[in-house]
Amino acid sequence: QQQVKQSPQSLIVQKGGIPIINCAYENTAFDYFPWYQQFPGKGPALLIAIRPDVSEKKEGRFTISFNKSAKQFSLHIMDSQPGDSATYFCAASMVASGSRLTFGEGTQLTVNP
Amino acid sequence: DTEVTQTPKHLVMGMTNKKSLKCEQHMGHRAMYWYKQKAKKPPELMFVYSYEKLSINESVPSRFSPECPNSSLLNLHLHALQPEDSALYLCASSQRVTGNYGYTFGSGTRLTVV
Repeated sequence: QQQVKQSPQSLIVQKGGIPIINCAYENTAFDYFPWYQQFPGKGPALLIAIRPDVSEKKEGRFTISFNKSAKQFSLHIMDSQPGDSATYFCAASMVASGSRLTFGEGTQLTVNP
Repeated sequence: DTEVTQTPKHLVMGMTNKKSLKCEQHMGHRAMYWYKQKAKKPPELMFVYSYEKLSINESVPSRFSPECPNSSLLNLHLHALQPEDSALYLCASSQRVTGNYGYTFGSGTRLTVV
């Protein structure tokens, strides 16, 4: 029940494409869903996050879509750039109870010039 | 200051050595965390400190010993490690353990055990 399943494992797109990374969860008590971006040799950095009371959130070129009934959420990167090449992790937690972040397995994104 | 600073960035140690990893933040966060990350895997939680007290130990072997001297500092003492302990060790902080909306991670210490 604590798992977060992330797909695909790797993704290659051309510059300007719209990569989509999907995550699914089982535990309906999760109420905070962040996405982290990690470059080689660096720690994960919070990219964007959503709570289940909204279905979509945009920050710049990054959009989270959230489907509460399906227990799924996804990250879309508009007009992707080679600098977006990184590993992306979705995660989930229960904010009020202070549960630890449960991470997905990660998606290695490559954006070709 | 919105950063979590970790030192050293790289560390190579023998299996009989004793070394320490250091983490520092000046954001007033009262929760601090140690994570271990293997290549191509997500971070795995090791320890959680809340208000300088250890609140979670994820059954980590005793060769890893955390310490939180004050609200800004977090150490991880290493002794008699094994080659399989080689990984990226990440420190993170958040405002509190509960009710917070995001962690700030440091850049990590790349540990190699030989």
